[in-house]
Amino acid sequence: NAGVTQTPKFQVLKTGQSMTLQCAQDMNHNSMYWYRQDPGMGLRLIYYSASEGTTDKGEVPNGYNVSRLNKREFSLRLESAAPSQTSVYFCASSEVLAGGEQFFGPGTRLTVL
Amino acid sequence: AQSVTQLDSQVPVFEEAPVELRCNYSSSVSVYLFWYVQYPNQGLQLLLKYLSGSTLVESINGFEAEFNKSQTSFHLRKPSVHISDTAEYFCAVTEEVTGFQKLVFGTGTRLLVSP
Repeated sequence: NAGVTQTPKFQVLKTGQSMTLQCAQDMNHNSMYWYRQDPGMGLRLIYYSASEGTTDKGEVPNGYNVSRLNKREFSLRLESAAPSQTSVYFCASSEVLAGGEQFFGPGTRLTVL
Repeated sequence: AQSVTQLDSQVPVFEEAPVELRCNYSSSVSVYLFWYVQYPNQGLQLLLKYLSGSTLVESINGFEAEFNKSQTSFHLRKPSVHISDTAEYFCAVTEEVTGFQKLVFGTGTRLLVSP
């Protein structure tokens, strides 16, 4: 099992460009998440999908959109990238069960110039 | 609303010395507590968790954490660290009442183990 996979691993964008970060999991999990990690700020939840067909805003959703394409895939889109979106982005998945483990992907390092 | 405080952003320690990484949380309801570890250039991995029962929980690599409800703390300890323990450690909390796993993370503590 690959677990949680993310593409791309690295990306450099210019201000105003758009891109989509892809995430897929092969653990048959119902819930998926997108986080951003910034120095000194820990992980902050951008969007999440409790189950296939639903998505909800997290702590820092502005400037992002998501799509839960199917049970396996959950993508994050930046419509018009800004330097403030320079960060490391992590996708995670879990069962719909409070107390269950979240499994993280390896991350995408995004730089917006 | 829940929150997690990790007061120490960085903890330097010598190999084979003991270490404690501090975590305090705030919540008005019962919580589940977690420690995740992030090795350089990797994603996060679950280290250990407290759900219920014994307040002392252990990981397979020698770490332990104790849930203290009165002090709203979940400090992580290891009696003797190795170079390979160098990583960033995140404390996280979720509310027991929600059937959905929505974690709130602390800002992380970087553990630096030197020879």
